[in-house]
Amino acid sequence: SQKIEQNSEALNIQEGKTATLTCNYTNYSPAYLQWYRQDPGRGPVFLLLIRENEKEKRKERLKVTFDTTLKQSLFHITASQPADSATYLCALENAGRRALTFGSGTRLQVQP
Amino acid sequence: SAVISQKPSRDICQRGTSLTIQCQVDSQVTMMFWYRQQPGQSLTLIATANQGSEATYESGFVIDKFPISRPNLTFSTLTVSNMSPEDSSIYLCSVTLTPGMNTEAFFGQGTRLTVV
Repeated sequence: SQKIEQNSEALNIQEGKTATLTCNYTNYSPAYLQWYRQDPGRGPVFLLLIRENEKEKRKERLKVTFDTTLKQSLFHITASQPADSATYLCALENAGRRALTFGSGTRLQVQP
Repeated sequence: SAVISQKPSRDICQRGTSLTIQCQVDSQVTMMFWYRQQPGQSLTLIATANQGSEATYESGFVIDKFPISRPNLTFSTLTVSNMSPEDSSIYLCSVTLTPGMNTEAFFGQGTRLTVV
């Protein structure tokens, strides 16, 4: 069956360091992968989309890589700030339905 | 972009009753999606709501329990029927502006439902 796995343990890092979150998937052949941020009590907010023919995508302090051979995406936040503390979700399109299937999310805590 | 207003933002309901959640979008969209997020869990798709046709439900979700209306291109409702404490969850509506064009999804702020 299709699976999207993210590290369920919270990631705690010091302000200024780079946070790296992992998303692994099985039994998907996605044309693209998305990353979202979710704060407590709020809906997810889109951050980045990377297509299968793109190895890397950047947006300000964010960087996403996509390895379709390893079936893995890495999400990096450089020069992290306490305001980056949130849960980060990766998502793939649910084949044929245009809806997204989400990973379980990784909670990031940036300590000042 | 799309702005989604979802009502109510939270409610506490008695078991056996029903709650209807409303989702209003500020632009016309073809497809709307309803998700459930149980405490500490990720989002699970309940159904896809298309205007003018019946909603398409995911495995484990049935129309009798989660009836959906989609009267026009900017509005949808999800009803949680005959509620039990297991239905306590956050319910979210979502849209994409160009289905099939691999663009971002927009979400409402969610409805936090507690069933007692």
